[in-house]
Parts: sequence; C-alpha cells; structure tokens
Amino acid sequence: QQQVKQSPQSLIVQKGGISIINCAYENTAFDYFPWYQQFPGKGPALLIAIRPDVSEKKEGRFTISFNKSAKQFSLHIMDSQPGDSATYFCAASKEAQKLVFGQGTRLTINP
Amino acid sequence: DTGVSQNPRHKITKRGQNVTFRCDPISEHNRLYWYRQTLGQGPEFLTYFQNEAQLEKSRLLSDRFSAERPKGSFSTLEIQRTEQGDSAMYLCASSRRGLYGYTFGSGTRLTVV
Repeated sequence: QQQVKQSPQSLIVQKGGISIINCAYENTAFDYFPWYQQFPGKGPALLIAIRPDVSEKKEGRFTISFNKSAKQFSLHIMDSQPGDSATYFCAASKEAQKLVFGQGTRLTINP
Repeated sequence: DTGVSQNPRHKITKRGQNVTFRCDPISEHNRLYWYRQTLGQGPEFLTYFQNEAQLEKSRLLSDRFSAERPKGSFSTLEIQRTEQGDSAMYLCASSRRGLYGYTFGSGTRLTVV
C-alpha cells in the first residue's frame, strides 16, 4: 500500500535554479512531514519538517509548502548548488512514530 | 561523535547463514527504529522500540528476523537463514519520545551471495 507518492523520480536543475519535488499522502492521520537528504553510502539526514497546522516553513534555501486539503506537500530548494546533488525523500508519520517514505527523487545540479 | 552508530558497515554472507547487526543510538534517545532500504527505494519500516519494549513490527519482518534492545540501550537485528532477497541497507534511527524528527545511522549494507 503506497501511502506517500513522490515525484519526479529524477530531476536535473542548473546551478542557481529552483528544485521542486512533490509528495502526496493518503492517510489524514499523519501529523508530521519531514524531508530527508541522502548521499550515497550514508543514512538519510533530516533537512526540514512541517506540521499540518502551517502552510509553509522556510529554513535557509529550503522551503516546505503544505496543502492540507489537497494532501500534498513539496520541497523547494532555492539557488540550487552542485553540493545539493543527492537523493531526497519525503516522509510522513503519525505522532513521530514510524516514518512512511516516498520513493525518492534523485536530484542532479549541473554546474 | 554522538550520532547513531551502526556496525558493521558492510557484511557479505553466504545464503543460509545467520547475521547480526548492532545499533548504538544517541544516548538520551529512548526510541529506536529499524528500517530496510533496497536500491533505488525509500526506507521501509521494520520495527521500533521504546526503551526495551518492542512496540511495533512490520509485516516485512518475517519469522527469520528478530530484534532486541536489552536494557533499552543498544539494539541488535538478527537475520536467520539469509536469502538473496535480504540484500539491502539496514538502517537504524533513534529519537526522544515527544520530539519530532529522528537521527539515522549510516546503515549496514548486507549482501547475500
């Protein structure tokens, strides 16, 4: 059962551009929506997270936009840099227990 | 470094052998989670502990898998009679109850040949 759907699978962005990754969820009981960044051979690292009581959260170049009625949320990376090249996962959970992950987006930033 | 520590980092085993992985969480974290990640996929939840109590197990965790967390500190994940389909990255994460967001270790990559 696919509870979190992520798109696109892969994304190529020019340096300085905006990277946008989208996720949709099904379970309305989810109350925590994090984004993770993963480099090859490493575990996922928390980038930014949002609760459903806010529509947007910004930390540096990273912004989460959240649409509760549409059950969708997205990650925007502003001024994308080659060092941002990694795989990004959205996830969702209820009460910060087990995380349900999306399938991942492989982001490549061309210099 | 006070992050989540996993050992070994890599394990190659022959089909049918038993393997055990260890996870040392961040010391003040009372929740510990195991996930499995196959190539090109997101991590999938296996099981989690709050202190020493195993509170939830996924249907992915067949009878060949067992996890323990004695005394609520480190945890072990054992796979008996390994199969080629068990080849994956096994990730451990820990968190403190009531705080959102948890920390993953670098994982143990298992290859069954």
